[in-house]
Amino acid sequence: DAGVTQSPTHLIKTRGQQVTLRCSPKSGHDTVSWYQQALGQGPQFIFQYYEEEERQRGNFPDRFSGHQFPNYSSELNVNALLLGDSALYLCASSSTGLAGGGARNIQYFGAGTRLSVL
Amino acid sequence: DAKTTQPTSMDCAEGRAANLPCNHSTISGNEYVYWYRQIHSQGPQYIIHGLKNNETNEMASLIITEDRKSSTLILPHATLRDTAVYYCIVKVQGGSQGNLIFGKGTKLSVKP
Repeated sequence: DAGVTQSPTHLIKTRGQQVTLRCSPKSGHDTVSWYQQALGQGPQFIFQYYEEEERQRGNFPDRFSGHQFPNYSSELNVNALLLGDSALYLCASSSTGLAGGGARNIQYFGAGTRLSVL
Repeated sequence: DAKTTQPTSMDCAEGRAANLPCNHSTISGNEYVYWYRQIHSQGPQYIIHGLKNNETNEMASLIITEDRKSSTLILPHATLRDTAVYYCIVKVQGGSQGNLIFGKGTKLSVKP
């Protein structure tokens, strides 16, 4: 059973460009969350998608947008890249459907995409 | 801001138990305690979570005080591969409250 997969693993862009990162959730999961992790910091929540809609959003500008597809996979788009957008971008998936209070909503993370903006 | 307080770093000898404390004195009645760890340059890995009872799985044990204001993650026999940053997070277990709020965590170094 494949876990959460993200692509690409590494990416180099220049200021002002746009980037799209991709995430495939763990099998059976329907919810995808995106996080940004700057060097030496803990991950910061960007937004969460469920049923193809943005359900919750962190304190990130509109340059950060996303999408969820009918197969539950997701994309993160960042426009007008700034040097400060250089970070590890993490995708996490979870399920709202598992019975009981145990495994429901536990987020499982992918290995991340390392974005460098020059 | 994170609702938890953890020591910045800890050392543990290989083969010994690692006990990682976490203070969450403002925890609400419907908030769970979650533990994740992040090995260098990898995504965070879920370890364990609990509400008020002690929990154990194949990775670790979670001890939550009776007043729920603090907890301890126990790795019973630490190995070098357990060297990582450990994050303690409190969160309501509900789909609409989806985000995990990470603090700086505890950097655990397991030494031979």
